[in-house]
Amino acid sequence: TQLLEQSPQFLSIQEGENLTVYCNSSSVFSSLQWYRQEPGEGPVLLVTVVTGGEVKKLKRLTFQFGDARKDSSLHITAAQPGDTGLYLCAGARGNEKLTFGTGTRLTIIP
Amino acid sequence: KAGVTQTPRYLIKTRGQQVTLSCSPISGHRSVSWYQQTPGQGLQFLFEYFSETQRNKGNFPGRFSGRQFSNSRSEMNVSTLELGDSALYLCASSPRLTTSGANVLTFGAGSRLTVL
Repeated sequence: TQLLEQSPQFLSIQEGENLTVYCNSSSVFSSLQWYRQEPGEGPVLLVTVVTGGEVKKLKRLTFQFGDARKDSSLHITAAQPGDTGLYLCAGARGNEKLTFGTGTRLTIIP
Repeated sequence: KAGVTQTPRYLIKTRGQQVTLSCSPISGHRSVSWYQQTPGQGLQFLFEYFSETQRNKGNFPGRFSGRQFSNSRSEMNVSTLELGDSALYLCASSPRLTTSGANVLTFGAGSRLTVL
């Protein structure tokens, strides 16, 4: 059973468009992280959110943690080819190990 | 400072063989976690080592094992390789035990294993 479900699984859009990807769970997490993994590389941490309702911005990327701390979203404004990659969410519950989501593979078409 | 280094980056083995992968964490990081990444299963946790002791273990068979040395470098070994073991094996280092509530992982680029 996958604790963290990400949607969509695949997304291909034109450069300049906006997009949102989701990370959902029935469990409550004490914190949630987003990673981006580019081909041939390991995942790189983008952001950590810890408070329900928290919104963090990283240039054109906006991350939101759900009020109930069960879900999160990543919104990208004016997508660029450099945003292409596999986006992974990962949740921590108390003193348990980090659990990774199923991933969203994003392709930005120039 | 240097990142997490994994060797080898690519390797091909045949069924029944065994393989050893190496991971050098960021200097000062004492925790090393190993993950298996496949298109179908995503990122699956194998085990975590901290101060030379296995602290957490995922749901993998005993063919998968690891160890950590006094300098925090870690190795993982897979014996009696099966076709399904083909995957990207990632290691990640952290300053503290990841179940301490400080779950900040820095990943290496991975070792891509192909089993024929």
